[in-house]
Amino acid sequence: GAGVSQSPSNKVTEKGKDVELRCDPISGHTALYWYRQSLGQGLEFLIYFQGNSAPDKSGLPSDRFSAERTGGSVSTLTIQRTQQEDSAVYLCASSSSWGDYNEQFFGPGTRLTVL
Amino acid sequence: QKEVEQNSGPLSVPEGAIASLNCTYSDRVSQSFFWYRQYSGKSPELIMSIYSNGDKEDGRFTAQLNKASQYVSLLIRDSQPSDSATYLCAVNKANSGYSTLTFGKGTMLLVSP
Repeated sequence: GAGVSQSPSNKVTEKGKDVELRCDPISGHTALYWYRQSLGQGLEFLIYFQGNSAPDKSGLPSDRFSAERTGGSVSTLTIQRTQQEDSAVYLCASSSSWGDYNEQFFGPGTRLTVL
Repeated sequence: QKEVEQNSGPLSVPEGAIASLNCTYSDRVSQSFFWYRQYSGKSPELIMSIYSNGDKEDGRFTAQLNKASQYVSLLIRDSQPSDSATYLCAVNKANSGYSTLTFGKGTMLLVSP
């Protein structure tokens, strides 16, 4: 596809369940980023991938959050034992470079609702 | 001081007017600056990037950068109702060998017909 894709577009889960969110970046983009946007809030950086490695996990809010990237392409963000405060839109972005001038392009997001 | 600051708005302008959106940042070593547009319920869309002091024009959009004042702005000429959205300012944050973006909380723009 031409752009970043994410699935599912919407996810409703019960408190305490685990969820997996998927991101498929633009073909050839080596850098991949996960963000979270809560209602009325700004974009909160979660994790950055360069290829398959994650040099920056500083934004992950707790050890319930983890992410991996395989084959330098698809990435999965996993949230274990979900809590109501995890409800947000989870956005993935990709970029062709990781230097100072990288332009990031966003996917449509996954809206997570924890009941 | 917040890393990237924007007035939350809403900024209301009539159709055809110039909308001016402003952003200040705290990290003096930042090298690249971006404006994203976000419609309600949608994801951010990159509309402008600027790296050097001065103005950069693209159609109805002009980005302005003043690194000495740590200030970046976006001007939208001939504003249209379809420009009504939240505009996010993003500033690069240099790390060791890579860069991430820090986003402001956005300014809501309302263009009335």
